[in-house]
Amino acid sequence: AQSVTQLGSHVSVSEGALVLLRCNYSSSVPPYLFWYVQYPNQGLQLLLKYTSAATLVKGINGFEAEFKKSETSFHLTKPSAHMSDAAEYFCAVTGKGDDKIIFGKGTRLHILP
Amino acid sequence: DTAVSQTPKYLVTQMGNDKSIKCEQNLGHDTMYWYKQDSKKFLKIMFSYNNKELIINETVPNRFSPKSPDKAHLNLHINSLELGDSAVYFCASSRQGGAEAFFGQGTRLTVV
Repeated sequence: AQSVTQLGSHVSVSEGALVLLRCNYSSSVPPYLFWYVQYPNQGLQLLLKYTSAATLVKGINGFEAEFKKSETSFHLTKPSAHMSDAAEYFCAVTGKGDDKIIFGKGTRLHILP
Repeated sequence: DTAVSQTPKYLVTQMGNDKSIKCEQNLGHDTMYWYKQDSKKFLKIMFSYNNKELIINETVPNRFSPKSPDKAHLNLHINSLELGDSAVYFCASSRQGGAEAFFGQGTRLTVV
């Protein structure tokens, strides 16, 4: 069975500050992990993915995430927040050949001017 | 070209009615999904199809019936709509199981 826990349903950071969104996973098979972003009234857009290659994954819009097996974590970071980063962020897990992707409950990112 | 498209985008209907949501993907993917997003933004998988075959039915009431006429389409029909069915429904597709999913824009269903 697989699951994802996102710590913090709301995170606020100042514009220009570091963004850190936390995600811990549980998986009985080697996981594939994703971060998605959802802007208001829109669908989900893939930010980045980990599929057992490099543990540090770079994505779109300056985001990156690091897979840490020992900590079962896949935290999302961005060095400098921009107002346009305000959105809902979802961490998700699946496994090779798996038939479903399990999502965390989401973290709303607020950017303070 | 929209990769995964859903229609309609908004759907307002009365309790007891039957409605359908259509989904099409032009990515050549083999796997398609329906997800339900509730008012707290929680995303829960409802169904997973692979090459037109139902793979996963996540304890969804049998008032919900997906249909896949071909691997590019996965429609969702809902009978006897209830207030609790109000949510945003997302269609998604992936190249295969275990790959990233591409999502449609969602259908906001409101049952009154």
